[in-house]
Amino acid sequence: AQTVTQSQPEMSVQEAETVTLSCTYDTSESDYYLFWYKQPPSRQMILVIRQEAYKQQNATENRFSVNFQKAAKSFSLKISDSQLGDAAMYFCAYRSAGGADGLTFGKGTHLIIQP
Amino acid sequence: DGGITQSPKYLFRKEGQNVTLSCEQNLNHDAMYWYRQDPGQGLRLIYYSQIVNDFQKGDIAEGYSVSREKKESFPLTVTSAQKNPTAFYLCASGITGGAGTEAFFGQGTRLTVV
Repeated sequence: AQTVTQSQPEMSVQEAETVTLSCTYDTSESDYYLFWYKQPPSRQMILVIRQEAYKQQNATENRFSVNFQKAAKSFSLKISDSQLGDAAMYFCAYRSAGGADGLTFGKGTHLIIQP
Repeated sequence: DGGITQSPKYLFRKEGQNVTLSCEQNLNHDAMYWYRQDPGQGLRLIYYSQIVNDFQKGDIAEGYSVSREKKESFPLTVTSAQKNPTAFYLCASGITGGAGTEAFFGQGTRLTVV
C-alpha cells in the first residue's frame, strides 16, 4: 500500500515571501500521479497542482511550483509571493496510474500567512 | 454547471441511529469516493465505486455502507455500528483508468453525534 507523509503540521510565512511545503511518499509502482490540494476554511478541496511521474519536468501553475524528485520519492510545493488568500490546509496526494482506488492523502500542513 | 453536491451540510445523529449522507454528481464520472476527515488525520478512504452496482471497501469501511444504483449518486450510510462517527465527510468523483485526473470534491457534510 502507498503512504504519503507530510512532516510539517504547520508552517508560517510572511506575506510576499516564499514557502516550501514538504511531502514524501512510498510506493513500489513506477507510474503514478501526485497532487497538491488546498483546503481553505470553507473546507472545499481545491486542486493546486498535479504532476505525472513519467514527466521529468516539474509542474508549475502561476505562483505554485513543485520539486519532484522521483528517486527520492519527494514532492514538495513551493509557493512564491505568498498572499493572504493562500492561508489554508495543504494536502499532498498520490494516485496510482490506474486510479481505481482513489487518492491516498498525507495528513496535511496548515499554512499561516503573516501580514 | 457541473459539479458534486453533498447534502446536508450539517447533520446531527443520536446514539444508535443510522443516517444517510447524500452525494450527487453531474460530471459523468464513473468513479465516486467517500472520505472521512478528522483533525490531524488527513482524508481517509471509506468506500469507492468504479461503476454502477459495484463498490469496494476502503481503509476504514467498518460501520459504513454504500450503494451505487445510479451513475450520478453514491449515498453513504453511517450505521449505529460506527463507534465514532463525528467527523467531516467528503464525497469525490473522478475518471477511472490511466487518465490521471484529479478527484473533484463536494463541499462536505459535517456529522455530529448528540
